[in-house]
Amino acid sequence: QSALTQPASVSGSPGQSITISCTGTSSDVGGYNYVSWYQQHPGKAPKLMIYEVSNRPSGVPDRFSGSKSGNTASLTISGLQAEDEADYYCSSYTSSSTLVVFGGGTKLTVL
Amino acid sequence: QVQLVQSGAEVKKPGASVKVSCKASGYTFTGYYMHWVRQAPGQGLEWMGRINPNSGGTNYAQKFQGRVTMTRDTSISTAYMELSRLRSDDTAVYYCARDLVAAGQLNWFDPWGQGTLVTVSS
Repeated sequence: QSALTQPASVSGSPGQSITISCTGTSSDVGGYNYVSWYQQHPGKAPKLMIYEVSNRPSGVPDRFSGSKSGNTASLTISGLQAEDEADYYCSSYTSSSTLVVFGGGTKLTVL
Repeated sequence: QVQLVQSGAEVKKPGASVKVSCKASGYTFTGYYMHWVRQAPGQGLEWMGRINPNSGGTNYAQKFQGRVTMTRDTSISTAYMELSRLRSDDTAVYYCARDLVAAGQLNWFDPWGQGTLVTVSS
């Protein structure tokens, strides 16, 4: 069981928007602005898409955006494209001795 | 460009140890924390720990305390992760990943190595 809770799957049609949630506690997501999001295509290494809740690294399209409210962070992808089909993971700093926790991952299907 | 290149796949017997390497290039190796994350087949990501390549200081996830050792060789810009007393459920792809921010401990991972598959089987 992962420390952060994500939906197992989401889907959307090309051009639509989808949102993936990531729920934690006040010891991780809710207590710090250290949430990040990763995209992983099958057989590939993860790629950083969002850091510090809502910042995009250079090269990540502005179709990807992040936000946080309370103990829940969200990743929104607008204008869905076929290449966005992948697994997405959230991560957060945690005040526990483990320091870093991940969500269980969400499989995005572009219909 | 910043690049992390990991060692090749390993097959180990239960009870053995494995040591995975991660060679960094394109940046100042001692300037960024290096993390290790693993992913069991069909499963999610799991953070194992990190090393400060400058000081050699480490932080390990509680789950791996006593079984994992992270080291580095600054002369060849390479980080290592050794996991001992291997079990079948340690079968996974092991990734190294650099911290995004220099001298930071923010635990945002970019870039990642290509991954090393470790198979534990009798």
